[in-house]
Amino acid sequence: NAGVTQTPKFRILKIGQSMTLQCAQDMNHNYMYWYRQDPGMGLKLIYYSVGAGITDKGEVPNGYNVSRSTTEDFPLRLELAAPSQTSVYFCASSGSGGGETYEQYFGPGTRLTVT
Amino acid sequence: GQNIDQPTEMTATEGAIVQINCTYQTSGFNGLFWYQQHAGEAPTFLSYNVLDGLEEKGRFSSFLSRSKGYSYLLLKELQMKDSASYLCAVRGMFSGGYNKLIFGAGTRLAVHP
Repeated sequence: NAGVTQTPKFRILKIGQSMTLQCAQDMNHNYMYWYRQDPGMGLKLIYYSVGAGITDKGEVPNGYNVSRSTTEDFPLRLELAAPSQTSVYFCASSGSGGGETYEQYFGPGTRLTVT
Repeated sequence: GQNIDQPTEMTATEGAIVQINCTYQTSGFNGLFWYQQHAGEAPTFLSYNVLDGLEEKGRFSSFLSRSKGYSYLLLKELQMKDSASYLCAVRGMFSGGYNKLIFGAGTRLAVHP
């Protein structure tokens, strides 16, 4: 199992550009999540999904969009990039069977700089 | 709403024991997780508590008191490789009835020889 994979690992964007961060998991998890982590801070939930076709906002959704057309993939779209979106982005997935199955498995992260 | 508090930084000596506290306030509680995150890496799972009491896993233990909104992570026989950030995260039932995990800011632990 590859677990949770993310691409790209690094990216530099100019202000106003758009991009899609890719995330895929091969653990057949129903739940998937996108977080951002600013330097020295904890993880902030951007969007999450409980299954294909179902997504919902987290704590900091402004400036982002998501879609979930398959169980495996959960891309995050940045429209009109701003310097405030400079951060490390983590994708995660978890099971949905209760208790410890809710443990989240994280991808390696995408380091994004907007200048 | 939800609010999770942890100390920002802690230091400890190799071979010693350290306790990292976490307090939380949440409109719904359905479990508490501890994650370890080394600099520049993704978080990795350490422990899960949903009932009151102590869960032990080798050198790591985690305690939960739901009535007090309080948890701690206990690390014994500290090693240099334990230098990392430790993230407390609370799972709750939020909008739409779906589970979300809300993270604290993390505690940076530095282990010295």
